[in-house]
Parts: sequence; C-alpha cells; structure tokens
Amino acid sequence: QKEVEQDPGPLSVPEGAIVSLNCTYSNSAFQYFMWYRQYSRKGPELLMYTYSSGNKEDGRFTAQVDKSSKYISLFIRDSQPSDSATYLCAMRGTGANSKLTFGKGITLSVRP
Amino acid sequence: DTEVTQTPKHLVMGMTNKKSLKCEQHMGHRAMYWYKQKAKKPPELMFVYSYEKLSINESVPSRFSPECPNSSLLNLHLHALQPEDSALYLCASSREGQGWTEAFFGQGTRLTVV
Repeated sequence: QKEVEQDPGPLSVPEGAIVSLNCTYSNSAFQYFMWYRQYSRKGPELLMYTYSSGNKEDGRFTAQVDKSSKYISLFIRDSQPSDSATYLCAMRGTGANSKLTFGKGITLSVRP
Repeated sequence: DTEVTQTPKHLVMGMTNKKSLKCEQHMGHRAMYWYKQKAKKPPELMFVYSYEKLSINESVPSRFSPECPNSSLLNLHLHALQPEDSALYLCASSREGQGWTEAFFGQGTRLTVV
C-alpha cells in the first residue's frame, strides 16, 4: 500500500461546479498537510496548508483533514476555467528529517 | 515575497556536457531542496540542504552534484547525464532548517539530455 493515495482522475467539470479532491494516507505520523496546484510546465504552487485535523478556508478553497480516517480533501467552490490544473496533495510528519510525501496528482479540467 | 527563482528555464545538453542549474530565494528560508519531476508524476526528492549543509541525499547518482554557496543560493551541477535524466528540475525552500513547514517551489528548469 502506498503511503499516500490520490484519486487518479482526470476530472472534468462544468464552470461553477463544486469540486472535491481527496487523498488517503496510511502513515499516522503525518501531521502537516498541503495542497499544491501545478499548471502545465510550471512548478507546484502552494495552495493550502493545514496542521493536524480540522478545516481551513481561503476564498473559494476549503481544505479538510480527518486524521481519524486518514483522509484529506480540497473543495473548490464556483470552479473557474483558470482552476484547470493538476492538484497534488502532500504531507509530512514532525520529525527533523521528515520528508514531504506527495500523492500522484489529479488533473482537473473546468469547462466554460 | 514567496518567490523561488530558477535559471535557466530550459536547458538542452549533450551527454558529455557539464552544466549547472541555479536557484535563489530571499525569504530567509534555511532549508532548500532539489526535486526531479517526470511527466505526469509527482516531484521526487533528490537533495535537502539545511543551514547550508547537505542533510539528505536520496541516493542520487554522482552525475548530479548539489552545492549551497550561501543561505540564499542553491546550485545543481550536472555532468555526463543520460537521456533518462530529462525532466523538470524543481528547487524549493522552506522556513525551518530541519523539518519542514510549507515548502515553496520555483518554476523549474526543463532539462533535455540529447
């Protein structure tokens, strides 16, 4: 079992839809959870960052972490064509040399 | 300013060439990283520098040689690469010296080995 599993996609939605992106993980030591957005041929851009369980909202984006279920989600409200990109979940533990572990990424396409 | 700057943006090199990739950040971050990303795959960690010292080497072949001249700069020296080394090379930085908080990535150098 991989440490981080992400829905494989690709995902195509109409403009204005609510998008739900999800990752599950197996390592209970993970404490920091991130979502990155990567446009084609660009570097990943940090979108959301949460520590431990709970929700965090930033504009149209909401990140949720459920440590009891080892499940994290990113919700995008009122999706726009500019949201079309690959979304990567990433997580790590608290140890000094704890590495960032990425999911495989899911490609989202928002149709006008 | 959350910018990590990488140069060059694109690089084509022969298998006998020597080239260097450069990365710069002015956020005061004390950890800097090199990642390699192949198409449709997540980034793979190569090296971590913490307080200008190499702290993690993910068993990367010696044809890749990292260097951290100061806390703002990170280089990756390339020599005798293979075509399978063609990829997007990403630099990242984060605030903490050891351990990680959020990591900020540069736009990458797209490397093609011919």
